[in-house]
Amino acid sequence: QQQVKQSPQSLIVQKGGISIINCAYENTAFDYFPWYQQFPGKGPALLIAIRPDVSEKKEGRFTISFNKSAKQFSLHIMDSQPGDSATYFCAASYSGSARQLTFGSGTQLTVLP
Amino acid sequence: DAGVIQSPRHEVTEMGQEVTLRCKPISGHNSLFWYRQTMMRGLELLIYFNNNVPIDDSGMPEDRFSAKMPNASFSTLKIQPSEPRDSAVYFCASSKGALNTEAFFGQGTRLTVV
Repeated sequence: QQQVKQSPQSLIVQKGGISIINCAYENTAFDYFPWYQQFPGKGPALLIAIRPDVSEKKEGRFTISFNKSAKQFSLHIMDSQPGDSATYFCAASYSGSARQLTFGSGTQLTVLP
Repeated sequence: DAGVIQSPRHEVTEMGQEVTLRCKPISGHNSLFWYRQTMMRGLELLIYFNNNVPIDDSGMPEDRFSAKMPNASFSTLKIQPSEPRDSAVYFCASSKGALNTEAFFGQGTRLTVV
C-alpha cells in the first residue's frame, strides 16, 4: 500500500521559474513530513521538513506548504537554478513507527539554463 | 564527521552468489535503516535497528535477505543466494534515535546481479 503519493514524476522548469512538487498521504498518524534531495550517485539528503502544527515553512528559496485537512503537502522552489536539478522525494513518518520514513515515488526536476 | 559510510560502492556478482553490503553509521547515532532503491519501486525500507536490535524487518523481501548489527558502528546486509531482481541501489541511513527525525544517508551500494 503506497501511503505517500507524489506528483509529477518529472518536471522541467526554466531558470528563475517556480518548481512545485505535490504529495498526498493517507495515514493520519504521520506527524513529520520531510523533503529529501538526491543528486545522481549520491544518497538522499534532507532539504526541509515540516510538522503538521504549521501550514508553511520557508528556508531560503525552498518552501513547504502543508494542508492537514486535505492530507497534502507541497514543495515550492522559488527562483529555480540549474543546480537544483535533482530528484526530490517527499516522505512522512510518525513517532509510533520509530520514525521510519515512508517515501513518495520521487520527482526528477530539470532546471534549464 | 565522515557521514554514513557504505562499502562497496559498486558490486557486480553472478546469480547464486552471496553478497554482503556494509555500513558504518554516524558515531552517536543509535538508529540504523537499510533502504533499497529501484526505478520501479522507489525507496523501500528493508529493516530498521535501534540500539543494535532489529525492530522492524517487515520490509525484507525474502528469507534470502538478512541483516545484522553486531555493534553500534557496523551493520551488514546479506543476500544469499543473489538473484538478478535484487539489482538495485542499497542505502544505509542513521539517525540519533527514535525521536530524532533527520536520517542521514550513505552514498549507497549499486548492486548488479548478472
